[in-house]
Amino acid sequence: DQQVKQNSPSLSVQEGRISILNCDYTNSMFDYFLWYKKYPAEGPTFLISISSIKDKNEDGRFTVFLNKSAKHLSLHIVPSQPGDSAVYFCAASAGWYGGSQGNLIFGKGTKLSVKP
Amino acid sequence: DTEVTQTPKHLVMGMTNKKSLKCEQHMGHRAMYWYKQKAKKPPELMFVYSYEKLSINESVPSRFSPECPNSSLLNLHLHALQPEDSALYLCASSQSFGGVVTQYFGPGTRLLVL
Repeated sequence: DQQVKQNSPSLSVQEGRISILNCDYTNSMFDYFLWYKKYPAEGPTFLISISSIKDKNEDGRFTVFLNKSAKHLSLHIVPSQPGDSAVYFCAASAGWYGGSQGNLIFGKGTKLSVKP
Repeated sequence: DTEVTQTPKHLVMGMTNKKSLKCEQHMGHRAMYWYKQKAKKPPELMFVYSYEKLSINESVPSRFSPECPNSSLLNLHLHALQPEDSALYLCASSQSFGGVVTQYFGPGTRLLVL
């Protein structure tokens, strides 16, 4: 049973345009959400996070939106650059709730390709 | 500084060998994690240490043995591994275990078991 779903395995975007990566979750106890970027054979790099008390968090070119009623979050990258080409993982945790207690549950990732 | 370091970067070992993976962080984090990642899959949690005590063992086979000598160091001792254990092994750390915390990952050790 997949609690965090990234339904698009890949996304291709032109340089300078907006990249939108989507993530859905099923566990209503999740209260903290993170996006990680990963290059091949390297560890995930933390990008941006959002707590369930917010619906938007922005950091430079990266913005994460959270829709709790739809159990959906998205990562917007504007403008997209070729160096953004990587696999993006969505992750969630239940914080102080439930058995996961800070354990991250990852989606399967979306491979973003930004073409020059 | 959010750096987690891991050594070695690459490791090739036979099924009868004993080897160790090392992880270090100097951010004052009190929770440290081992993950395993296979190609085109998300990271899978193996172990969690909180305040140098093992808090979570995700039913990992005993051929993997974690050790936390102090708050900055985390080791993973490997013995009698199988070829299917070949993967990228990731270490991570966070300020604490539980609550709204961000885990920071190291670059990983790419392990090949022959």
